[in-house]
Amino acid sequence: DIQMTQSPSTLSASVGDRVTITCRASQSISSWLAWYQQKPGKAPKLLIYKASSLESGVPSRFSGSGSGTEFTLTISSLQPDDFATYYCQQYNSYSPPLTFGGGTKVEIK
Amino acid sequence: EVQLVESGGVVVQPGGSLRLSCAASGFTFDDYAMHWVRQAPGKGLEWVSLISWDGGSTYYADSVKGRFTISRDNSKNSLYLQMNSLRAEDTALYYCAKDMGVMDYYFDYWGQGTLVTVSS
Repeated sequence: DIQMTQSPSTLSASVGDRVTITCRASQSISSWLAWYQQKPGKAPKLLIYKASSLESGVPSRFSGSGSGTEFTLTISSLQPDDFATYYCQQYNSYSPPLTFGGGTKVEIK
Repeated sequence: EVQLVESGGVVVQPGGSLRLSCAASGFTFDDYAMHWVRQAPGKGLEWVSLISWDGGSTYYADSVKGRFTISRDNSKNSLYLQMNSLRAEDTALYYCAKDMGVMDYYFDYWGQGTLVTVSS
């Protein structure tokens, strides 16, 4: 199975900061990667799919990049609503199992 | 508006069985694959199972294969997860999630989850 490793596991940042989260796959997944945001007590929300495609309604300060085994989620200017945990998810070759990274918690500095 | 409402989560003893349900509305249910994803308390997300739009194809995580069965009733816009031989490590919040497409393998809508606790 493909393993997904996110870093850092926790990130402390201030409003207005540029934030970057990294996700690495144990083997190439082309661009088959999604990013989700989860706030405490809430279900995850899709932000990015196919590595860099922004889901409808998601603010443009969120962007995704990468291919193969290394991917990044960038928040260009962190807003108060963005403090949450972020997960990457691979869907390589359109075949299960589907796997998530361990998550990155973005905290207020 | 897409809505997914899970139900059926309870406290159950190890070795017991449980069936979770997910009622879907706001979209054409039988146009989409559906998934179950779980989250143990304080932990990350774990994909559990997938069913195709017509129920003809099903997939499972190794951790639940042979114990869990996913199914759907398109006439009732409902998704199910039959859970047998439950273990303490199955304790989690179980989310029903809609696939982005016929079978795109990522999730554009999630329910609020139903809590399964396996404990004696």
